[in-house]
Amino acid sequence: GESVGLHLPTLSVQEGDNSIINCAYSNSASDYFIWYKQESGKGPQFIIDIRSNMDKRQGQRVTVLLNKTVKHLSLQIAATQPGDSAVYFCAENMGGFQKLVFGTGTRLLVSP
Amino acid sequence: NAGVTQTPKFQVLKTGQSMTLQCAQDMNHEYMSWYRQDPGMGLRLIHYSVGAGITDQGEVPNGYNVSRSTTEDFPLRLLSAAPSQTSVYFCASSYLTGEKLFFGSGTQLSVL
Repeated sequence: GESVGLHLPTLSVQEGDNSIINCAYSNSASDYFIWYKQESGKGPQFIIDIRSNMDKRQGQRVTVLLNKTVKHLSLQIAATQPGDSAVYFCAENMGGFQKLVFGTGTRLLVSP
Repeated sequence: NAGVTQTPKFQVLKTGQSMTLQCAQDMNHEYMSWYRQDPGMGLRLIHYSVGAGITDQGEVPNGYNVSRSTTEDFPLRLLSAAPSQTSVYFCASSYLTGEKLFFGSGTQLSVL
């Protein structure tokens, strides 16, 4: 991901809606991807991961989609709740034992 | 299971002072790392370690020092604090390099 300076992209949704957060990754050799959630004043928390041999993986209320053709990753949150309000960011492993590279994130705001 | 524990949670320093941020993990992870996070920016890697006795620099290592004498502990030292080091610091660990990182709750540092 690229730095967007002081202003994070923001997605505003209503409670109960489905949310889709997108991430463009940089390296076609990347083979492992992770989504993290970071609430205000807390450390990043693992949500879900996916390896490059898959194009979809589901968790509890979350789904990650991977499109290797266009180097795009998305996180879908079903029935979004106020507790989902946070910054979400993706991370990629560029292959093997490379260190994770993090995107700058998207702020999700959920209104009741 | 405590996971990754960071201390202190908050710290105020004067320019030129030194201090050590503590990090401990109880998951027997080989890989440990320190990040800083500035408003609206992504996580930037300061230093990392792939095992006891082995450390290396990340993308923003200047002004920081680390050591890894045990698998569990990975302290970060600020040698002579500067206002540019005002940030939130996160320690993170994983079983191996490039795998899912587990983060501590962060240290908010202000340098006056």
